Amino acid sequence: DAGVTQSPTHLIKTRGQQVTLRCSPKSGHDTVSWYQQALGQGPQFIFQYYEEEERQRGNFPDRFSGHQFPNYSSELNVNALLLGDSALYLCASSQGQGGETQYFGPGTRLLVL
Amino acid sequence: RKEVEQDPGPFNVPEGATVAFNCTYSNSASQSFFWYRQDCRKEPKLLMSVYSSGNEDGRFTAQLNRASQYISLLIRDSKLSDSATYLCVVNAQSGYNKLIFGAGTRLAVHP
Repeated sequence: DAGVTQSPTHLIKTRGQQVTLRCSPKSGHDTVSWYQQALGQGPQFIFQYYEEEERQRGNFPDRFSGHQFPNYSSELNVNALLLGDSALYLCASSQGQGGETQYFGPGTRLLVL
Repeated sequence: RKEVEQDPGPFNVPEGATVAFNCTYSNSASQSFFWYRQDCRKEPKLLMSVYSSGNEDGRFTAQLNRASQYISLLIRDSKLSDSATYLCVVNAQSGYNKLIFGAGTRLAVHP
């Protein structure tokens, strides 16, 4: 039973560029949430996708956008990268919009130079 | 004020020690509570859910005090493998799954 997978594992970009991160949820899960974890901090909720729609959003600017596909996989897009976007980006999956147990993927470590 | 606050530590304890972590949350409407464990450069993993009645899983005991908006985690007989960051987590909305994380408390268990 495959867990949550994310790609790529590491990424280096420069300011102003755009990046796309990918996530495949755990088998049987239909809800994907994205989190940003800066160094020394806890993960911060970016948004959640369920039934291919953004259902909830945290306090992140519109530069952060996403998508969920019919197979429940998801993408996180960040435009106009800033140095402060350097972080570990975590994807978590769960069953149903209110499913409480979230399982995290290994994350994508993004460095913006 | 942060929504979930934890003592950042680090807590440096010898093997076999008992250590307690505390956490407070600001949203009195919060519905669910958890402790996650995060090893260095790894993803968070669910350690245990926290219930008002308190719950225990082996050497780990979690407590919730809704009146004080306070959550605790007790680790007994610490092992070297317990060294990690422990994240206090709150789900603020019923029917949704928006987890609010504390900054984490770092634990280092030494021989």
